[in-house]
Amino acid sequence: SQTIHQWPATLVQPVGSPLSLECTVEGTSNPNLYWYRQAAGRGLQLLFYSVGIGQISSEVPQNLSASRPQDRQFILSSKKLLLSDSGFYLCAWSAKTSSYNSPLHFGNGTRLTVT
Amino acid sequence: GQNIDQPTEMTATEGAIVQINCTYQTSGFNGLFWYQQHAGEAPTFLSYNVLDGLEEKGRFSSFLSRSKGYSYLLLKELQMKDSASYLCAVFGGSYIPTFGRGTSLIVHP
Repeated sequence: SQTIHQWPATLVQPVGSPLSLECTVEGTSNPNLYWYRQAAGRGLQLLFYSVGIGQISSEVPQNLSASRPQDRQFILSSKKLLLSDSGFYLCAWSAKTSSYNSPLHFGNGTRLTVT
Repeated sequence: GQNIDQPTEMTATEGAIVQINCTYQTSGFNGLFWYQQHAGEAPTFLSYNVLDGLEEKGRFSSFLSRSKGYSYLLLKELQMKDSASYLCAVFGGSYIPTFGRGTSLIVHP
């Protein structure tokens, strides 16, 4: 069966520090991969998605970046964190299908607090 | 553009039945999904509709009418642990789903 791992679970970082969040998927190949952010009491905001190695699409302008160095690895980074980067970060994967889309499956999330 | 509407909050009694509605306007349709999200946790996948009609999965059922742009999630025999946010999500023809803001369900004794 497929599993998704995301770490760390919680992170407290000072303003201006770098960030690296990692996500890996097991049990599937060539998945679609996604990074979402959820602010407290708010909806899911799509940050990046990827349909393959090295293929990253950004949905919102920001000081975050994403990379997909391997088929099942998705990394979210920042060179300098802002206070507004605080939130709940979720990695997700979905299988590629020939017809209807398959559902997204989420990792356990990383709660980031920028101080 | 893509738009999904859900009620913000609903309350129900333990043991009862509750229906959470979702209406959507999207360019294209490639599937509608329901997720459950407990406070502080990640969303978990509940159900999936691509064709009109009812999909039943234990205590949870989901209905879809593509012509009306409408879906509902039906929860039967409510339990206290069903208190959570329920998210409706629609794929409108790309790899990117549009998520609703979620409906916060409070189940009381």
